[in-house]
Amino acid sequence: KAGVTQTPRYLIKTRGQQVTLSCSPISGHRSVSWYQQTPGQGLQFLFEYFSETQRNKGNFPGRFSGRQFSNSRSEMNVSTLELGDSALYLCASTTVPGEWTGELFFGEGSRLTVL
Amino acid sequence: AQSVAQPEDQVNVAEGNPLTVKCTYSVSGNPYLFWYVQYPNRGLQFLLKYITGDNLVKGSYGFEAEFNKSQTSFHLKKPSALVSDSALYFCAVRVSSGGSYIPTFGRGTSLIVHP
Repeated sequence: KAGVTQTPRYLIKTRGQQVTLSCSPISGHRSVSWYQQTPGQGLQFLFEYFSETQRNKGNFPGRFSGRQFSNSRSEMNVSTLELGDSALYLCASTTVPGEWTGELFFGEGSRLTVL
Repeated sequence: AQSVAQPEDQVNVAEGNPLTVKCTYSVSGNPYLFWYVQYPNRGLQFLLKYITGDNLVKGSYGFEAEFNKSQTSFHLKKPSALVSDSALYFCAVRVSSGGSYIPTFGRGTSLIVHP
C-alpha cells in the first residue's frame, strides 16, 4: 500500500510569492492534516480536512489556506510568503477525522525555503 | 493553557544502555498521549499511544512509555539503546479547541546513541 505522498519535496521561493503544496493520502484515508515544522517552534498543527471540509484550524494567519478534493487529495497554499514561512511542511492522513485518538501516517514533507 | 513539553533538547546515551526521553503535559480532562519518531529527511512515524488502561504502553522497535497521572508525565523508554535509534522524538497530546480537538506536539528531543 502506498504511503502518504507529498510534492514537491523541495522548493525555493522569494518573499511576496505564493506557494501550493500537494498531499495524496493513503488509499482509503479520508482525513488529511497539515503541519509546519521549524527548528524554533517545533511541529505545529495548521489544519485538518475531511470530506472536502476544513474541520479544525491551528493558530496561523489567513495567508495559510488549504482545500481537499473529492479523491481526498489535499493542497495547502501560502500567499505573500515571508522569510519566517521557511519550514518543512508535513501532511498526515488517518481514517478517523477529528478525534485524534489514532495513529497519524505522515508524508516525508515539502521543504520550503523563502529568500 | 493546554500544552505538552519536552524539557530536553538533546539526550545522549551509549549503545546498550537504557534510554529515557521525557514528556510532560497539561490538558483538561483525560489525556490522549502519543510518541512519534522522525529520522533525517523523513516524516514522522508513530511509536505508541496512551488512551486508557495500563500505565505501561508498549510500542514499535522495542520502545515503551510510562503514563504517570500524578506527575502528568509520559516518558519514552527503551531498555537497551541502539545506534539506529538516533533520531528526533516528538511527544504529542490531544487538546480541546473550540468544541473539538487538535493535536499539539512538543518541540522534539534529539536522541543521540553513541557506539
